[in-house]
Amino acid sequence: AQSVSQHNHHVILSEAASLELGCNYSYGGTVNLFWYVQYPGQHLQLLLKYFSGDPLVKGIKGFEAEFIKSKFSFNLRKPSVQWSDTAEYFCAVNAAGAGSYQLTFGKGTKLSVIP
Amino acid sequence: DAGVIQSPRHEVTEMGQEVTLRCKPISGHNSLFWYRQTMMRGLELLIYFNNNVPIDDSGMPEDRFSAKMPNASFSTLKIQPSEPRDSAVYFCASSSTNLALHFGNGTRLTVT
Repeated sequence: AQSVSQHNHHVILSEAASLELGCNYSYGGTVNLFWYVQYPGQHLQLLLKYFSGDPLVKGIKGFEAEFIKSKFSFNLRKPSVQWSDTAEYFCAVNAAGAGSYQLTFGKGTKLSVIP
Repeated sequence: DAGVIQSPRHEVTEMGQEVTLRCKPISGHNSLFWYRQTMMRGLELLIYFNNNVPIDDSGMPEDRFSAKMPNASFSTLKIQPSEPRDSAVYFCASSSTNLALHFGNGTRLTVT
């Protein structure tokens, strides 16, 4: 079974700082990868996803993520964070294949952006 | 599109009572998932359905938990009897074949 680890439990940044959140997965086969964001008191929303093709994926709100297959990683980045990016971020992986609909989530990284 | 609709938003109940959580997935989505979120364990997949059929319920904690999907537009998650350790936020999510999950607003369950 696949698993996902997110390295940082809580990240605190000042506005305009650059962001990189780590995500590693364990699964030897083909994967589909996702980043979700959960704003305080809200539900999870999809930020971006990778299925195939260009390993650098651009999502909403200026976020991007890079899939590095050799490192089993899918780190999330943003060049300049804003206070409104304060939220919890979840990486998720799906083992690609016929009939495989299950997403496995990491435990999340809480981001606090200080004005 | 109204998105995934869950009810109730909040539920407070006493230990031993039956709790029923409800979910209406996005029309046309053929997969439905129930997740539980706690501080200690994060997001845990409880069960998922594909075309109304339960595919994997290995995440259901114990026999006190049951889930049904009688049709493509409705699912329930029932806890009977409820216990304080069941307190959590329960999310329902649906997806089509593209795997991108759409989550509901969740039900915050408190069992006293």
